[in-house]
Amino acid sequence: ETGVTQSPTHLIKTRGQQVTLRCSSQSGHNTVSWYQQALGQGPQFIFQYYREEENGRGNFPPRFSGLQFPNYSSELNVNALELDDSALYLCASTKTTTGTGLDAGELFFGEGSRLTVL
Amino acid sequence: GESVGLHLPTLSVQEGDNSIINCAYSNSASDYFIWYKQESGKGPQFIIDIRSNMDKRQGQRVTVLLNKTVKHLSLQIAATQPGDSAVYFCAENLFLLNKFYFGSGTKLNVKP
Repeated sequence: ETGVTQSPTHLIKTRGQQVTLRCSSQSGHNTVSWYQQALGQGPQFIFQYYREEENGRGNFPPRFSGLQFPNYSSELNVNALELDDSALYLCASTKTTTGTGLDAGELFFGEGSRLTVL
Repeated sequence: GESVGLHLPTLSVQEGDNSIINCAYSNSASDYFIWYKQESGKGPQFIIDIRSNMDKRQGQRVTVLLNKTVKHLSLQIAATQPGDSAVYFCAENLFLLNKFYFGSGTKLNVKP
């Protein structure tokens, strides 16, 4: 158990809809990142939140957005869903002092939210 | 973008044998690396990490080797057990960016 919890575990949406995924980070962790994992692939970095602000982003369009709350929990929002958005969405938390790679440490992953877009 | 790739997509070993999983990374600026294990339907689980100022790090039954000259990582699992069957990913962290880039994974099958 990593202490990182995600909800919902599974959901089905149709193309064009919007989805919100939620993540509760491990106690004491102030940095949250989101990853997309397509079937048979490795996780792909979407973005990271530190001190409630996005401080790093991968190659994902603006319709992927997020929030981090004062209690360090986080949301991933995806608008205008496309079929290719079907994937496992993973949340990972860690504790950093600078929010940069200077003090990068182990990422603790949740079990993910499996999104299917029809 | 950055790429982290694995040489062998599938590795089958006999129970009790040692396993070696390899990984190549492309960015010489990466300074922190992690090996993760992912079982079906679960999130990635931390195995071992290594920073670029080290060549080798050992854990319980696992060893990670880092060769910065050729930008290569390996994960060695001693006395492989059926419970080790999973997909293994290496991930590199880009200095100052704190982004982890994952390879596509190697599936380890342990035969009893």
